Amino acid sequence: EVQLVESGGDLVQPGGSLRLSCAASGFTFSDYWMSWVRQAPGKGLEWVATINQDESVKSYVDSVKGRFTISRDNAKNSLYLQMSSLRVEDTAKYYCSRGSSWSASDWGQGTLVAVSS
Amino acid sequence: DVVMTQSPLSLSVTLGQPASISCRSSQSLVYSDGNTYLNWFQQRPGQSPRRLIYKVSNRDSGVPDRFSGSGSGTDFTLRISRVEAEDVGVYYCFQGTRWPPTFGQGTKVEIK
Repeated sequence: EVQLVESGGDLVQPGGSLRLSCAASGFTFSDYWMSWVRQAPGKGLEWVATINQDESVKSYVDSVKGRFTISRDNAKNSLYLQMSSLRVEDTAKYYCSRGSSWSASDWGQGTLVAVSS
Repeated sequence: DVVMTQSPLSLSVTLGQPASISCRSSQSLVYSDGNTYLNWFQQRPGQSPRRLIYKVSNRDSGVPDRFSGSGSGTDFTLRISRVEAEDVGVYYCFQGTRWPPTFGQGTKVEIK
């Protein structure tokens, strides 16, 4: 069974940094693209970033480009999202998803990031 | 960016009756490899999104056959043949053909 467990969400001040993690199990992690998707409270879904199997391809939506960095550790079956220069509008639940934008077949339960002074 | 427009945004359905959600994209979703990367997701209250349909009409494992997807180019539809209580939630169409990937606004389905 595919399992994706996000962690690292917290309350942070505007301008601050945070690192999210996603622990994957139930599949061969190194075989898959992986992605982050977010959902602001009471709002719809927004794609954030995608990474390929060997980290040679990383893509970001414009709203996070230059502030967020997606990475992975295949030895640890883990996906990461380093977030810096956080803004109030980054407040959301962040989901880890298996696959690129072509698939997004499985999702974790999400981790909550709140940016507020 | 490709704009995904869903209609209706809210749907109240009697148990056992059919339901249909439309999704239109501002650009063709046919990719250069010939595939159309249009997916449908269900988000039940308090839960994570779950993929129901991928590449327009392919049902995911474990998804009841009362769910079906159809369409082509810029016009797509999700149909529920007979709505059940467990189908309550928000449904999103999603395009992965063009960067950035984009979701529709969501359609809230409730039981009348």
